Amino acid sequence: QVQLVESGGGVVQPGGSLRLSCVASGFSFRTYGMHWVRQTPGKGLECVAVIRDDGKNEYYADSVKGRFAVSRDNSNNMLFLQMNSLRAEDTGVYFCAKDTGMFQWLADSWGQGTLVTVSS
Amino acid sequence: EIVLTQSPVILSLSPGERATLSCRASQSVSNFLAWYQQKPGQAPRLLIHDTSNRATGVPARFSGSGSGTEFTLTISSLEPEDFAVYYCHQRSNWPVSFGPGTTVDIK
Repeated sequence: QVQLVESGGGVVQPGGSLRLSCVASGFSFRTYGMHWVRQTPGKGLECVAVIRDDGKNEYYADSVKGRFAVSRDNSNNMLFLQMNSLRAEDTGVYFCAKDTGMFQWLADSWGQGTLVTVSS
Repeated sequence: EIVLTQSPVILSLSPGERATLSCRASQSVSNFLAWYQQKPGQAPRLLIHDTSNRATGVPARFSGSGSGTEFTLTISSLEPEDFAVYYCHQRSNWPVSFGPGTTVDIK
């Protein structure tokens, strides 16, 4: 069955950086788009980034554009989220999620999430 | 950006009762509307996609309807495991967006 396991969360000061990782198993990773979705106290559920199956197209939420970068390693079934210039409002649980297709913008399987706390 | 509004905020019902949850979009999303269920400490679970299609393994008591800007999730007869938060989601336009959620709790 589909399994997604996130890691890399933690406590970081405002202005700092973190890199989240997600290891995928149980499906053909290279043939599905992937998402990072966060759940924050302020804005609820928000899709911050999606990446196409082949990694050649990415979309970002306006709130993170220019600060976050999504990438993937199809050889090792890994998804990443590089987060720079972190702000207090980025605090929340970050979920890695599998798309229903190559780039359908709909997630059908989710990891359990990793907590990111931005605080001084 | 398309804004989704859900009502009611909280729905208090007893097991066996029918639940009707609403989602309204600020502009048409065609049929690209999905519903997720989330329980405390868990990730969201996809229930319904493209307005009325149940995801794999979702019981038949869950059904979705609507089009354009008005959508409904119906749970025909609540089971104890159905008490949770339900979110609608649109993928018609980027950025995709989620509603603020409806909590279905035990009366």
